[in-house]
Amino acid sequence: NAGVMQNPRHLVRRRGQEARLRCSPMKGHSHVYWYRQLPEEGLKFMVYLQKENIIDESGMPKERFSAEFPKEGPSILRIQQVVRGDSAAYFCASSPGPWEQYFGPGTRLTVT
Amino acid sequence: GENVEQHPSTLSVQEGDSAVIKCTYSDSASNYFPWYKQELGKRPQLIIDIRSNVGEKKDQRIAVTLNKTAKHFSLHITETQPEDSAVYFCAASINDYKLSFGAGTTVTVRA
Repeated sequence: NAGVMQNPRHLVRRRGQEARLRCSPMKGHSHVYWYRQLPEEGLKFMVYLQKENIIDESGMPKERFSAEFPKEGPSILRIQQVVRGDSAAYFCASSPGPWEQYFGPGTRLTVT
Repeated sequence: GENVEQHPSTLSVQEGDSAVIKCTYSDSASNYFPWYKQELGKRPQLIIDIRSNVGEKKDQRIAVTLNKTAKHFSLHITETQPEDSAVYFCAASINDYKLSFGAGTTVTVRA
């Protein structure tokens, strides 16, 4: 059973460009979560999704950030008009229901 | 929202000794407390978790204790080995899904 997959693993964007981060949950998992990790800090919750539904986006910045988890295909975290402060590692996690969350390898976004 | 504090921020132990990491949380409604291990450049890995109806849980060399009254929980690693060197994060959740993480403890096991 493959683990949570994320791509790309590294992403470099110039200020003002768009970043798209993809996450494929573990097989059988219908719950997806996105977290952001700044250097030498803990992970910060951004959003929780189930298929075609955003359950909780209380950790998402109000502007430029959006997330989706379509009926088919991976979950997407989209950051429009990136700024240097968006540089971080973005981790996706999945779970079959509540409780245990299993993390992907992360996408390291660098904004130049 | 939930606030989780974690101590110490760094911990160096001799191989074979025990390591203890402590976390406190602010929201008494928190009911789920996982611990993650993250090696440099790797994904956080769930190593053990505990729910609020349990006071202690053990898995081989790792154990977690929970004191709901004092709102703190701890990770205990016995007989430490070099491969235990990593950053350890505690987390707490009040609604089954939104994890609030501590800032992490960098554990170094000296051979």
